[in-house]
Amino acid sequence: AQSVTQPDIHITVSEGASLELRCNYSYGATPYLFWYVQSPGQGLQLLLKYFSGDTLVQGIKGFEAEFKRSQSSFNLRKPSVHWSDAAEYFCAVGSSGGGADGLTFGKGTHLIIQP
Amino acid sequence: ETGVTQSPTHLIKTRGQQVTLRCSSQSGHNTVSWYQQALGQGPQFIFQYYREEENGRGNFPPRFSGLQFPNYSSELNVNALELDDSALYLCASRPAGANYGYTFGSGTRLTVV
Repeated sequence: AQSVTQPDIHITVSEGASLELRCNYSYGATPYLFWYVQSPGQGLQLLLKYFSGDTLVQGIKGFEAEFKRSQSSFNLRKPSVHWSDAAEYFCAVGSSGGGADGLTFGKGTHLIIQP
Repeated sequence: ETGVTQSPTHLIKTRGQQVTLRCSSQSGHNTVSWYQQALGQGPQFIFQYYREEENGRGNFPPRFSGLQFPNYSSELNVNALELDDSALYLCASRPAGANYGYTFGSGTRLTVV
């Protein structure tokens, strides 16, 4: 069965500093990988996704992620965070079966931005 | 684009009751999925509907059921509510052929007392 581990429950970063959120996945075939962000009282917003090809993917709001098959990782990065980036971040994995199996999400990382 | 809208935003029900949650998909989206997000957890896949038929299901009991209508709006029905059903229920829709390009709604917060 597929699974996602986000090792960091909370991360605190100073505004303007760089950010890296960790994600490790377990999946038997080529995974479809995603990062979503959730602000309080809001639904999930897709930041970026990886299906194939270039292992460094660019997303919205200045985020990027790198797929590393050898490490089963898909870490999210941002060179300089803004106070508005404070939110819950979820990594997710899906099968290549056209989406009918749904997405498997990690438990999330709560990002706190210090002024 | 109108996005995905869910109703109601909050709901309180008593254990043993039945509940219906509603979702209006984004225009042009014919695939809808439902997720349950317990407090402090990531969303869990309940099921997916495509062209009014369930075509995928997660590890949820049969008392969780759904419908998708010709206009691609959908419902999630939960019978015999249990305290552990208290959660945020998220609806997500996407157009045909766009694997995983889901747009999520803001969810319905269900509290079972």
